[in-house]
Amino acid sequence: LAKTTQPISMDSYEGQEVNITCSHNNIATNDYITWYQQFPSQGPRFIIQGYKTKVTNEVASLFIPADRKSSTLSLPRVSLSDTAVYYCLVTGNTPLVFGKGTRLSVIA
Amino acid sequence: SAVISQKPSRDICQRGTSLTIQCQVDSQVTMMFWYRQQPGQSLTLIATANQGSEATYESGFVIDKFPISRPNLTFSTLTVSNMSPEDSSIYLCSVESGAPGWGYEQYFGPGTRLTVT
Repeated sequence: LAKTTQPISMDSYEGQEVNITCSHNNIATNDYITWYQQFPSQGPRFIIQGYKTKVTNEVASLFIPADRKSSTLSLPRVSLSDTAVYYCLVTGNTPLVFGKGTRLSVIA
Repeated sequence: SAVISQKPSRDICQRGTSLTIQCQVDSQVTMMFWYRQQPGQSLTLIATANQGSEATYESGFVIDKFPISRPNLTFSTLTVSNMSPEDSSIYLCSVESGAPGWGYEQYFGPGTRLTVT
């Protein structure tokens, strides 16, 4: 299973754009890149998934360069409610294997 | 998507006892997964449960300690046996959605917060 590396923590002010980068150097051809969000006392929640280039949904954007060895989750104009742990996963098949995640703290 | 419920949501148990956690899904799913999340830590996969077959356990987890049942396509139970304080964690049930070549998603239940005293 491809291992991922992402920053342990990040701080941001409300209204700013937050970019969390994840490296996955040994990603396989059939792997997708998936991001989950977890609030305290809740199970992880799917945010976005992509294979290459750019994917955007109502919550976030995911940027994946051509070599697919890294990816960047972009959260536009964060609010206090975006304070959570964000997990980057490489998913060729289930079950998901979680790394340590990035703890994002949004400050007023 | 799938909606997952777990019972109980939390419990405080004495060491040496056992607790069975129930997981109910609102649709039929082939594979269900059980994870453990210790305080301040990431999720660790305990086992994969397919209906009609024995659960597959990850390294460090054994059936005698964490017996799993999967009687049908919408339900599973995880038992934490002979508990010790080290078993204090959040236990999460999860199901998959997706298909080969299209990427997979997993949906998670709200978790069961277990405290062993």
